Amino acid sequence: SQELEQSPQSLIVQEGKNLTINCTSSKTLYGLYWYKQKYGEGLIFLMMLQKGGEEKSHEKITAKLDEKKQQSSLHITASQPSHAGIYLCGAAVSTGNQFYFGTGTSLTVIP
Amino acid sequence: DSGVTQTPKHLITATGQRVTLRCSPRSGDLSVYWYQQSLDQGLQFLIQYYNGEERAKGNILERFSAQQFPDLHSELNLSSLELGDSALYFCASSVGQVGHRGEQYFGPGTRLTVT
Repeated sequence: SQELEQSPQSLIVQEGKNLTINCTSSKTLYGLYWYKQKYGEGLIFLMMLQKGGEEKSHEKITAKLDEKKQQSSLHITASQPSHAGIYLCGAAVSTGNQFYFGTGTSLTVIP
Repeated sequence: DSGVTQTPKHLITATGQRVTLRCSPRSGDLSVYWYQQSLDQGLQFLIQYYNGEERAKGNILERFSAQQFPDLHSELNLSSLELGDSALYFCASSVGQVGHRGEQYFGPGTRLTVT
C-alpha cells in the first residue's frame, strides 16, 4: 500500500488554465515536501510545508497543508509549458524514519 | 544544478553481477539518501546516512548495501543483480539528519540496466 496517494495520476491542460494536484497521507504527516521531475532526471525541490494550515507560494505555484485531513494540495495558476513534468509529494510519516514519495502526477501543458 | 553528483550516469550489466554507484553530496550536507525509481514501484526510499552512520532504512534488499565515507561521499553496492533491479537510482543530500530532515537535493541519477 502507498503511504502517500496523489491525484490525479495525470493531467493535460491548455496553457493558461489553473490546476490542482492533491496528496493524501494514510498516516500522520511530519512535514510535506513538493518536488518536480522532468522525465528521467533528478527531482527539483519546490516547497516544504511543516505546519497545519501553512501555505507557501513560489511564482505561480501555491501549496497548502491541511494537517487534520493529512492532505496537501499544489495549485498552479495560469499554467505554462514550462510547468510540464511530474510532480511528487514526499513526507516522513508517523514516527518512522522512512521518507515516502507519492505516486506522482504527470502534467502536460498544451501551448 | 543541484550540487549533488552521481556516477556513472548509465550502467549496463548482466544478471548475477555486482555494481557500485557513487554519490557526492552538496558541499556542507551531512545526510545522504538513496532512492530507487522504477515504473511499477515509483520512487522508493532505500537508505539514509548521516555523517557516516546509517540513520534510516527503507525498502532496501539484502543484496544491496551502502556506506558513507569520512569525506561524506556515499556508495551503493548492488550484488547478484536481477532483471528487476533495472531502475533509476537517485542519491539526494540534505543538511539535517532524521527528524530535521529539511529539503533534499537530488542528483541526476544513475540508470541501471540489467540484461
